[in-house]
Amino acid sequence: EPEVTQTPSHQVTQMGQEVILRCVPISNHLYFYWYRQILGQKVEFLVSFYNNEISEKSEIFDDQFSVERPDGSNFTLKIRSTKLEDSAMYFCASMGLADYEQYFGPGTRLTVT
Amino acid sequence: AQSVTQLGSHVSVSEGALVLLRCNYSSSVPPYLFWYVQYPNQGLQLLLKYTSAATLVKGINGFEAEFKKSETSFHLTKPSAHMSDAAEYFCAVTFNAGGTSYGKLTFGQGTILTVHP
Repeated sequence: EPEVTQTPSHQVTQMGQEVILRCVPISNHLYFYWYRQILGQKVEFLVSFYNNEISEKSEIFDDQFSVERPDGSNFTLKIRSTKLEDSAMYFCASMGLADYEQYFGPGTRLTVT
Repeated sequence: AQSVTQLGSHVSVSEGALVLLRCNYSSSVPPYLFWYVQYPNQGLQLLLKYTSAATLVKGINGFEAEFKKSETSFHLTKPSAHMSDAAEYFCAVTFNAGGTSYGKLTFGQGTILTVHP
């Protein structure tokens, strides 16, 4: 069964450093998403991406964040200058055409020290 | 704006007992509703979804949910709990905004289900 994969599973970084979280969505999917879950809190939407551009972003997704689909398979989330409050589990998800079913990856746990 | 409220952050049942996890939503347009399960240190797995077809939806692992528009609810049930059902459960909502704004999920706070032997 096809699945969404994410790397790394755990990333530790120092405050102010740049991080790139990587995702490989399901190959024939068209819609891509990033969500985050701060420990003990609910899952929050960050950004959606379609047709090589951002289609919607939340207020969390400020200028420190960017997304890219550099090739036909990867989907990345970059945080330019990490803050302590960026520590969270980051989930990538992808969705096919018109079925509303998002498939989630296993997540990347980001720890900012 | 859409929102989801899950009543009860923790639910505890005995093995073999009925599981009932409550979810109420708010949406100004017809919603699409989902239940996801998250096992410790794992990602989110879709249990079931409502996308405007049958109001009673059956999912994996014996779970089902009923969409009740008059009550704005989408409660998750399972007739007989199993130890392996212990996990955190999230209700989520989206709607068809059309165009490129598509599929953004708004999640509830989650309900941790504990199953006692």
